[in-house]
This record gives sequence, C-alpha cells and structure tokens, in this order.
Amino acid sequence: DAKTTQPTSMDCAEGRAANLPCNHSTISGNEYVYWYRQIHSQGPQYIIHGLKNNETNEMASLIITEDRKSSTLILPHATLRDTAVYYCIVHRREYGNKLVFGAGTILRVKS
Amino acid sequence: DVKVTQSSRYLVKRTGEKVFLECVQDMDHENMFWYRQDPGLGLRLIYFSYDVKMKEKGDIPEGYSVSREKKERFSLILESASTNQTSMYLCASSLAGRNEKLFFGSGTQLSVL
Repeated sequence: DAKTTQPTSMDCAEGRAANLPCNHSTISGNEYVYWYRQIHSQGPQYIIHGLKNNETNEMASLIITEDRKSSTLILPHATLRDTAVYYCIVHRREYGNKLVFGAGTILRVKS
Repeated sequence: DVKVTQSSRYLVKRTGEKVFLECVQDMDHENMFWYRQDPGLGLRLIYFSYDVKMKEKGDIPEGYSVSREKKERFSLILESASTNQTSMYLCASSLAGRNEKLFFGSGTQLSVL
C-alpha cells in the first residue's frame, strides 16, 4: 500500500471547521483512502473512505484531489470531543491485505 | 452498532505467567484481529482470523498464539509473558472481505512486571 504523510499535530477552535491534510503521492489507481480516528483511551474508529469522488457522511467529509495525490478530511463544526489522533490510510482492497496505521495527526480542539 | 468487548481494561501480570486476553464481538463478523499499540510504533498486527478455527500470523506473532473456537470470540495468548509485552492490546472485527472497515474494542492495557 502507498505511504501517507500527515502533519504531526494541528489545533482547531471549537465550532470551526477542522481540515486535516494527507499526502499520498504514490497512490495507485486501485487504492482507497481511509480515515480513522482514535480518541484517548479508546480503540480506533472508522470515519470515512473514498476512491476518487468526494464523500460525506454524518461524521465528516473527504475531499480527494483530481490527481488523487492528496486528500483532506473535514470536520465541519469541530467539538472538544473531536480531539483525537486522525489516521489517513491508503489501502488496496484485496484478499489478505490488511490496514497499516501510521503515526497520524493529533488534532486538538480548543475552546 | 457493532460492539467489540475486551474482557479487561487493565491487567497486571508477572514475567513468565500465561496470559489470556479475551475479545467478543456481537455482529456476526467473520474477521477478527489482534493489534498491539506502543508509543512511537503505532498499531502493529499480531494475529488475525478469517473464520472459526482459522488463524494467520500478522507482522509480530512471536511470543503470542491465538484461539478461535467460536465465531464471536477471539483469544490472544501470551504463553510466557515478558516485560517487552507490556503494551495496549486492541481487538478488532470486520465483515468478510472488508478488512479495511474495522470495529475496535476499547483495548486492554497489559503491564508485565
């Protein structure tokens, strides 16, 4: 699976949009972009995933650039409970292939 | 919602003890996984299972074994615990063919003294 690069940490004001970037310049055509987050003292939680098109669900939006070399996870109205480590993962869906979690971005939402 | 339950939140064991970490999921998922998480090293896959009585080694299986006698239960066994196995252990499950959409438990913080 392709490697990803994320900032080590970011701050965001409560109520504002949190935009978390991820670079994956070596992504292949059949690799998806997945986002998970891990709140302190909990296991990781799936957020969203996409291949080419932008995606939105009740938790977040995922914007993938046209060349697919980077993406942004958007939390539209960040709350204190969104403080967590956010993992961007590029993954090829095939039998036996497992997710690889990197270091992620520590997002601190501040009041 | 899928619930993945790990039997203990905190566990303290002595070097050389045999340790069992239990994980149960309630959504009839075929796949189950055991990870460990250490500061600076991220999540590393220890073992996984795609079906009852099946198991496959992950990236760091040494010193561990697993058991899956029932679909909903996946046990991680430390045959002879060592101090370098002090870690946060996370269990996860997923539907067949969906290795990428994992549901995790809250983790077991194991300390081996």
